[in-house]
Amino acid sequence: DTAVSQTPKYLVTQMGNDKSIKCEQNLGHDTMYWYKQDSKKFLKIMFSYNNKELIINETVPNRFSPKSPDKAHLNLHINSLELGDSAVYFCASSLAATNEKLFFGSGTQLSVL
Amino acid sequence: QQQVKQSPQSLIVQKGGISIINCAYENTAFDYFPWYQQFPGKGPALLIAIRPDVSEKKEGRFTISFNKSAKQFSLHIMDSQPGDSATYFCAASKGLTGGGADGLTFGKGTHLIIQP
Repeated sequence: DTAVSQTPKYLVTQMGNDKSIKCEQNLGHDTMYWYKQDSKKFLKIMFSYNNKELIINETVPNRFSPKSPDKAHLNLHINSLELGDSAVYFCASSLAATNEKLFFGSGTQLSVL
Repeated sequence: QQQVKQSPQSLIVQKGGISIINCAYENTAFDYFPWYQQFPGKGPALLIAIRPDVSEKKEGRFTISFNKSAKQFSLHIMDSQPGDSATYFCAASKGLTGGGADGLTFGKGTHLIIQP
């Protein structure tokens, strides 16, 4: 069983569209994260939820909205997609909100045309 | 402002050799320093991590050396194998003292190639 699974693996869409990426973890972890990896492979934290509560909200456009229906799921909704949103988005989880021992999903490659 | 500087950007090592990747940080509040390994098409995976109260940590062929006064830490891969070819990221966080509030700050990555 995959510990952290995210769907879809690839997402190709037009500018201006709204899209969502789903993430689920079966590790029983309390904390989940969204990281963005740009074309130069630089990884940057976007959001973090601990027990369904937002604890990190980095300076990302408010077009990005995370939603955590329960502590095993953290979805990312993106409104009015722009060319610059093209990147790989990684979901991750950890036992607690200490940034230790993160387990990452395989990523969602988002391409905005 | 990049808080964790990683070098080199790319590295080629012969099979059996030692691979060394270096990182320097600026924020003295960081108290947790992990290294992640990423293969193409996959997410990063934790390799090894260290806290500033020790100067070295070894797990199998992987060793972290940590120099608190210089604010530097490095990853050594002994007896490097072709299967070690991947991108390696150092990172830092205020994990224990900051309640994880800032997330992991990553270096820019090192693309490591081990030649057979």
